[in-house]
Amino acid sequence: DGGITQSPKYLFRKEGQNVTLSCEQNLNHDAMYWYRQDPGQGLRLIYYSQIVNDFQKGDIAEGYSVSREKKESFPLTVTSAQKNPTAFYLCASSKIQGLPSNQPQHFGDGTRLSIL
Amino acid sequence: GNSVTQMEGPVTLSEEAFLTINCTYTATGYPSLFWYVQYPGEGLQLLLKATKADDKGSNKGFEATYRKETTSFHLEKGSVQVSDSAVYFCALSEGQGGSEKLVFGKGMKLTVNP
Repeated sequence: DGGITQSPKYLFRKEGQNVTLSCEQNLNHDAMYWYRQDPGQGLRLIYYSQIVNDFQKGDIAEGYSVSREKKESFPLTVTSAQKNPTAFYLCASSKIQGLPSNQPQHFGDGTRLSIL
Repeated sequence: GNSVTQMEGPVTLSEEAFLTINCTYTATGYPSLFWYVQYPGEGLQLLLKATKADDKGSNKGFEATYRKETTSFHLEKGSVQVSDSAVYFCALSEGQGGSEKLVFGKGMKLTVNP
């Protein structure tokens, strides 16, 4: 079945360490997204990409980096510059399609990152 | 900028009760509107959507109507089940067509007791 796979499901980071969260999709979607979810704050967009080798900052990009070398993959690196990285991270993807319809985003099951 | 305001819970209902989750939005242009549901430990799943004014989205007994005059997209279900226990997010897409960013409300946790 097609879908989005995020790994690992749980991740622990030491202070000052960079960690990379994996996101892979086999839906043949063009666009991919990373969100951060904190209790009581909903989802906030970190980065998104509409095409290979191109990506844009979302609302809270500071302390994060991404790459999009393949259509299927959009890994997120949480750097040591991110001072409060403990959160639930969700990856999503969608088709790119013109008017009139808007394609919904499909989500992975998330990675929960904690600081040791 | 664009924003979504929704009821914040948590809310606890008994099985077969009526459910309404209010959602209002602020946006320039004509966004598409979505309801997503998140079950414990999982990602978000699309519940329903509406792409223009007066459209009604429906799925699994849930309904929501795109009301441009009141900038609202309230979610309703006539009779909830224990399996509906989850967090519900209202969202809008910025821009029209193509790949748009989603703006989410803060989510509302619903617990349904037998």
